[in-house]
Amino acid sequence: TQLLEQSPQFLSIQEGENLTVYCNSSSVFSSLQWYRQEPGEGPVLLVTVVTGGEVKKLKRLTFQFGDARKDSSLHITAAQPGDTGLYLCAGAGPNTGNQFYFGTGTSLTVIP
Amino acid sequence: DTAVSQTPKYLVTQMGNDKSIKCEQNLGHDTMYWYKQDSKKFLKIMFSYNNKELIINETVPNRFSPKSPDKAHLNLHINSLELGDSAVYFCASSQPRLGYTFGSGTRLTVV
Repeated sequence: TQLLEQSPQFLSIQEGENLTVYCNSSSVFSSLQWYRQEPGEGPVLLVTVVTGGEVKKLKRLTFQFGDARKDSSLHITAAQPGDTGLYLCAGAGPNTGNQFYFGTGTSLTVIP
Repeated sequence: DTAVSQTPKYLVTQMGNDKSIKCEQNLGHDTMYWYKQDSKKFLKIMFSYNNKELIINETVPNRFSPKSPDKAHLNLHINSLELGDSAVYFCASSQPRLGYTFGSGTRLTVV
């Protein structure tokens, strides 16, 4: 059983569509991060959220931390081919010794 | 300037061999990590070092031995390589409560 489950696992959409990726857990996290990984590279940090209910925006990306700090979502508006990649959430909290553990990943493909 | 650099980028070797992957960070971070990413893209922590001291050692075969000669380096040595060790290995560094900076990975293929 993974600590953080992401859904969907794979997502293929047309350019211009909107999408949401979910990151769920039964554990409470003090901090949650989202990363994007492109082929042949390491993950790159997109955002960190620490407060329940917190919403952060990064251009067309909107990140939300659940009120109970057990889940998070990433919404992309008007997806572009440059958004293609593997999206990973990572949580840290008392159950993880305050070290970040990564989710199962969502592979996004945006078709031009 | 590369923040976290690991070498080599690709490593192909036969079963039973011993190999090392090197990692260096120039960010001044206190903590360094080794992660393994499997064929399903799941990223699992293997080791964590803080100021040259081991703080996390997940359930990893003792054929894997990390070595941190100083705060900026964390190398990974693997003895008696097995087919199941084939994966992409990532080095990363961080400061407390901040995001991780990853290297570009080492793709290890054991044949």
